[in-house]
Amino acid sequence: GAVVSQHPSWVICKSGTSVKIECRSLDFQATTMFWYRQFPKQSLMLMATSNEGSKATYEQGVEKDKFLINHASLTLSTLTVTSAHPEDSSFYICGARDDEQYFGPGTRLTVT
Amino acid sequence: AQTVTQSQPEMSVQEAETVTLSCTYDTSENNYYLFWYKQPPSRQMILVIRQEAYKQQNATENRFSVNFQKAAKSFSLKISDSQLGDTAMYFCAFYGSARQLTFGSGTQLTVLP
Repeated sequence: GAVVSQHPSWVICKSGTSVKIECRSLDFQATTMFWYRQFPKQSLMLMATSNEGSKATYEQGVEKDKFLINHASLTLSTLTVTSAHPEDSSFYICGARDDEQYFGPGTRLTVT
Repeated sequence: AQTVTQSQPEMSVQEAETVTLSCTYDTSENNYYLFWYKQPPSRQMILVIRQEAYKQQNATENRFSVNFQKAAKSFSLKISDSQLGDTAMYFCAFYGSARQLTFGSGTQLTVLP
Protein backbone atom coordinates (compact mmCIF):
# COMPACT_ATOMS: atom_id res chain seq x y z
CA GLY A 1 0.00 0.00 0.00
CA ALA A 2 0.91 3.66 -0.27
CA VAL A 3 3.24 5.07 2.36
CA VAL A 4 3.22 8.51 3.92
CA SER A 5 6.06 9.55 6.15
CA GLN A 6 6.28 12.35 8.69
CA HIS A 7 9.35 13.90 10.23
CA PRO A 8 10.05 14.34 13.03
CA SER A 9 7.97 11.82 14.93
CA TRP A 10 8.45 13.72 18.16
CA VAL A 11 9.72 17.23 18.78
CA ILE A 12 10.14 19.35 21.87
CA CYS A 13 10.60 23.09 21.46
CA LYS A 14 10.69 26.13 23.67
CA SER A 15 7.85 28.59 23.79
CA GLY A 16 8.27 31.32 21.19
CA THR A 17 10.26 29.27 18.72
CA SER A 18 9.07 27.80 15.42
CA VAL A 19 9.01 24.17 14.42
CA LYS A 20 8.59 22.58 11.00
CA ILE A 21 6.95 19.21 10.35
CA GLU A 22 7.43 17.45 7.02
CA CYS A 23 4.98 15.13 5.32
CA ARG A 24 6.05 13.06 2.33
CA SER A 25 4.21 10.65 0.08
CA LEU A 26 6.89 8.07 -0.64
CA ASP A 27 5.50 6.04 -3.53
CA PHE A 28 2.76 8.13 -5.05
CA GLN A 29 2.00 11.69 -6.04
CA ALA A 30 -0.46 13.39 -3.75
CA THR A 31 -2.79 15.80 -5.46
CA THR A 32 -4.03 17.00 -2.11
CA MET A 33 -2.54 16.94 1.37
CA PHE A 34 -4.29 17.48 4.66
CA TRP A 35 -3.13 18.47 8.13
CA TYR A 36 -4.97 17.32 11.24
CA ARG A 37 -4.59 17.98 14.91
CA GLN A 38 -5.52 15.41 17.52
CA PHE A 39 -5.75 15.89 21.26
CA PRO A 40 -5.55 12.85 23.57
CA LYS A 41 -8.56 10.54 23.28
CA GLN A 42 -10.22 12.87 20.79
CA SER A 43 -10.91 12.74 17.10
CA LEU A 44 -8.90 14.19 14.25
CA MET A 45 -9.64 17.84 13.59
CA LEU A 46 -8.89 19.07 10.08
CA MET A 47 -6.69 22.15 10.16
CA ALA A 48 -6.11 22.79 6.47
CA THR A 49 -6.13 21.34 2.99
CA SER A 50 -3.44 22.06 0.46
CA ASN A 51 -2.97 21.40 -3.23
CA GLU A 52 0.43 21.42 -4.86
CA GLY A 53 1.48 24.88 -5.93
CA SER A 54 -1.46 26.73 -4.44
CA LYS A 55 -2.28 28.30 -1.11
CA ALA A 56 -3.70 26.14 1.63
CA THR A 57 -7.35 26.34 2.62
CA TYR A 58 -7.68 26.67 6.37
CA GLU A 59 -10.60 25.52 8.45
CA GLN A 60 -12.52 28.04 10.49
CA GLY A 61 -10.69 28.95 13.69
CA VAL A 62 -7.25 27.91 12.47
CA GLU A 63 -4.80 30.80 12.35
CA LYS A 64 -3.10 30.73 8.97
CA ASP A 65 -0.30 33.01 10.13
CA LYS A 66 0.49 30.69 12.98
CA PHE A 67 0.24 27.41 11.11
CA LEU A 68 2.08 27.93 7.84
CA ILE A 69 1.53 25.25 5.25
CA ASN A 70 3.63 24.83 2.14
CA HIS A 71 2.88 22.23 -0.51
CA ALA A 72 5.87 22.72 -2.77
CA SER A 73 5.66 19.46 -4.69
CA LEU A 74 3.35 16.52 -5.28
CA THR A 75 5.23 14.53 -2.65
CA LEU A 76 6.01 17.07 0.07
CA SER A 77 4.00 19.30 2.36
CA THR A 78 5.28 21.12 5.42
CA LEU A 79 3.54 22.54 8.45
CA THR A 80 5.38 25.23 10.38
CA VAL A 81 4.09 26.17 13.79
CA THR A 82 5.32 29.71 14.35
CA SER A 83 5.90 31.27 17.76
CA ALA A 84 4.79 28.06 19.42
CA HIS A 85 3.07 28.16 22.79
CA PRO A 86 2.30 25.35 25.24
CA GLU A 87 -1.30 25.23 24.03
CA ASP A 88 0.01 24.22 20.60
CA SER A 89 1.25 20.98 22.12
CA SER A 90 -0.63 18.24 20.34
CA PHE A 91 -0.38 15.32 17.91
CA TYR A 92 -0.28 16.43 14.29
CA ILE A 93 -1.18 14.02 11.50
CA CYS A 94 -0.85 14.57 7.78
CA GLY A 95 -2.92 12.93 5.09
CA ALA A 96 -2.06 12.55 1.43
CA ARG A 97 -4.48 11.72 -1.32
CA ASP A 98 -4.38 10.42 -4.84
CA ASP A 99 -7.43 8.19 -5.37
CA GLU A 100 -7.41 7.16 -1.72
CA GLN A 101 -6.37 9.04 1.38
CA TYR A 102 -3.40 7.78 3.36
CA PHE A 103 -2.10 8.97 6.68
CA GLY A 104 1.32 9.68 8.07
CA PRO A 105 2.33 8.22 11.44
CA GLY A 106 1.95 11.57 13.18
CA THR A 107 4.19 14.02 15.00
CA ARG A 108 3.99 14.65 18.71
CA LEU A 109 4.75 18.31 19.45
CA THR A 110 5.55 19.39 22.98
CA VAL A 111 6.08 23.09 23.66
CA THR A 112 7.74 23.90 26.97
CA ALA B 1 -22.19 20.42 6.77
CA GLN B 2 -21.95 16.73 7.31
CA THR B 3 -21.84 15.33 10.82
CA VAL B 4 -20.77 11.90 11.98
CA THR B 5 -21.89 10.57 15.35
CA GLN B 6 -20.43 7.70 17.30
CA SER B 7 -22.47 7.27 20.46
CA GLN B 8 -20.28 4.66 22.16
CA PRO B 9 -17.13 6.26 23.62
CA GLU B 10 -15.87 2.94 24.96
CA MET B 11 -16.63 -0.72 24.39
CA SER B 12 -15.08 -3.99 25.42
CA VAL B 13 -15.38 -7.52 24.08
CA GLN B 14 -13.98 -10.89 25.01
CA GLU B 15 -11.42 -12.39 22.72
CA ALA B 16 -13.04 -14.50 19.96
CA GLU B 17 -16.42 -12.84 20.46
CA THR B 18 -18.25 -10.48 18.10
CA VAL B 19 -18.74 -6.77 18.66
CA THR B 20 -20.62 -4.08 16.75
CA LEU B 21 -19.65 -0.42 16.74
CA SER B 22 -22.31 2.14 15.83
CA CYS B 23 -22.11 5.16 13.58
CA THR B 24 -24.74 7.51 12.23
CA TYR B 25 -24.26 10.44 9.90
CA ASP B 26 -26.19 13.31 8.49
CA THR B 27 -25.97 14.45 4.89
CA SER B 28 -28.14 15.67 2.07
CA GLU B 29 -25.83 14.16 -0.54
CA ASN B 30 -26.62 11.03 -2.45
CA ASN B 31 -23.16 9.96 -3.56
CA TYR B 32 -20.52 9.60 -0.90
CA TYR B 33 -18.18 7.17 0.79
CA LEU B 34 -18.08 5.92 4.35
CA PHE B 35 -15.06 4.54 6.12
CA TRP B 36 -13.99 2.89 9.32
CA TYR B 37 -10.46 3.65 10.46
CA LYS B 38 -8.55 2.03 13.30
CA GLN B 39 -6.03 3.91 15.41
CA PRO B 40 -4.02 1.56 17.63
CA PRO B 41 -1.77 2.81 20.45
CA SER B 42 0.91 3.63 17.85
CA ARG B 43 -1.57 6.26 16.61
CA GLN B 44 -1.09 5.30 12.96
CA MET B 45 -4.43 5.59 11.18
CA ILE B 46 -5.29 2.35 9.40
CA LEU B 47 -8.15 1.90 6.94
CA VAL B 48 -10.38 -0.97 8.04
CA ILE B 49 -13.17 -0.91 5.50
CA ARG B 50 -14.82 1.32 2.91
CA GLN B 51 -18.38 1.53 1.61
CA GLU B 52 -19.62 3.36 -1.48
CA ALA B 53 -23.07 4.78 -0.89
CA TYR B 54 -24.34 3.72 -4.31
CA LYS B 55 -23.60 0.09 -3.53
CA GLN B 56 -26.36 -1.71 -1.71
CA GLN B 57 -24.17 -4.65 -0.82
CA ASN B 58 -22.46 -4.31 2.53
CA ALA B 59 -18.67 -4.25 2.41
CA THR B 60 -16.70 -7.08 3.99
CA GLU B 61 -13.00 -7.44 4.73
CA ASN B 62 -12.15 -10.73 6.39
CA ARG B 63 -13.41 -10.46 10.01
CA PHE B 64 -14.74 -6.93 9.46
CA SER B 65 -18.12 -6.20 7.93
CA VAL B 66 -20.50 -3.28 7.86
CA ASN B 67 -24.24 -2.86 8.06
CA PHE B 68 -24.97 0.08 5.80
CA GLN B 69 -28.50 1.46 6.03
CA LYS B 70 -28.60 4.41 3.65
CA ALA B 71 -32.13 5.55 4.41
CA ALA B 72 -31.45 5.47 8.13
CA LYS B 73 -27.98 7.00 7.61
CA SER B 74 -26.44 4.31 9.71
CA PHE B 75 -23.08 2.60 9.18
CA SER B 76 -22.13 0.08 11.85
CA LEU B 77 -18.98 -2.04 11.98
CA LYS B 78 -19.06 -5.67 13.04
CA ILE B 79 -15.85 -7.34 14.16
CA SER B 80 -16.05 -11.11 14.33
CA ASP B 81 -13.66 -13.40 16.20
CA SER B 82 -12.16 -10.42 18.03
CA GLN B 83 -8.42 -10.53 18.55
CA LEU B 84 -6.20 -8.73 21.05
CA GLY B 85 -4.70 -6.78 18.18
CA ASP B 86 -8.10 -5.28 17.46
CA THR B 87 -7.75 -3.14 20.58
CA ALA B 88 -7.75 0.42 19.24
CA MET B 89 -9.72 3.59 18.76
CA TYR B 90 -12.13 3.21 15.85
CA PHE B 91 -13.28 6.20 13.84
CA CYS B 92 -16.17 6.35 11.43
CA ALA B 93 -15.66 8.85 8.61
CA PHE B 94 -17.67 10.43 5.79
CA TYR B 95 -16.31 11.58 2.43
CA GLY B 96 -18.51 13.54 0.06
CA SER B 97 -18.56 16.48 -2.28
CA ALA B 98 -16.36 18.59 0.01
CA ARG B 99 -13.59 16.08 -0.81
CA GLN B 100 -12.39 15.82 2.76
CA LEU B 101 -12.95 13.32 5.53
CA THR B 102 -15.29 14.15 8.39
CA PHE B 103 -14.61 11.97 11.41
CA GLY B 104 -16.79 10.85 14.28
CA SER B 105 -15.63 11.21 17.86
CA GLY B 106 -14.35 7.65 18.02
CA THR B 107 -15.00 4.47 19.98
CA GLN B 108 -12.26 2.98 22.13
CA LEU B 109 -12.48 -0.79 21.77
CA THR B 110 -10.72 -3.06 24.22
CA VAL B 111 -10.45 -6.77 23.53
CA LEU B 112 -10.16 -8.71 26.77
CA PRO B 113 -8.15 -11.95 26.99
